[in-house]
Amino acid sequence: QSALTQPRAVSGSPGQSVTISCTGTASDVGGYNYVSWYQQHPGKAPKLMIYDVTKRPSGVPDRFSGSKSGNTASLTISGLQAEDETDYYCCSYAGTYNVIFGGGTKVTVL
Amino acid sequence: EVQLVQSGAEVKKPGESLKISCKGSGYSFTSYWIDWVRQMPGKGLEWMGIIYPGDSDTRYSPSFQGQVTISVDKSINTAYLQWNSLEASDTAMYYCARRTVVQSPAFHFWGQGTMVTVSS
Repeated sequence: QSALTQPRAVSGSPGQSVTISCTGTASDVGGYNYVSWYQQHPGKAPKLMIYDVTKRPSGVPDRFSGSKSGNTASLTISGLQAEDETDYYCCSYAGTYNVIFGGGTKVTVL
Repeated sequence: EVQLVQSGAEVKKPGESLKISCKGSGYSFTSYWIDWVRQMPGKGLEWMGIIYPGDSDTRYSPSFQGQVTISVDKSINTAYLQWNSLEASDTAMYYCARRTVVQSPAFHFWGQGTMVTVSS
């Protein structure tokens, strides 16, 4: 199983929106509405930001939103803030209990 | 409060064995799956496998099958990740995480991570 494909880096100015893509196959992203997104600050455990493609856990700002089209899922951060600068990982169910992560995207706030 | 507390950092030599732990509290430990995730230094997250403490049903990623053993002791609400013979390439941070629904990789709760260093 290869990792889901994410851009290595995206950037935006404060207040702008950025979108991170996550491309898989019909056997993972395209086959299930079970994609999640994680934020990970250096030295910290990942934090769930979006699950089941579009759902947001309590406490996560509504600036974070998720979507999916075909084999590609996306995380959009609207109204970018300095504290959003860190790494983001997508994750998809891949059948028979299996889970696959993306390679990670570094978000830079200019 | 749901908590997953992992055992402390380990420094081992190649060929040695190791068992790290993840203790759950604040919820019904036997009702939720526990996953293990690897993060090598400077790299991304990799899913290793999953166990259901209720009946010890265990599944592995094809990449980790045969390389590690996942187990559980439900009497003490603890899941384990074990190696019989460590290699330098096992140097990584290892996280446990709680999965609510087996089809959904929504890990709402994570352990703090256990850093494993394998060096001669």
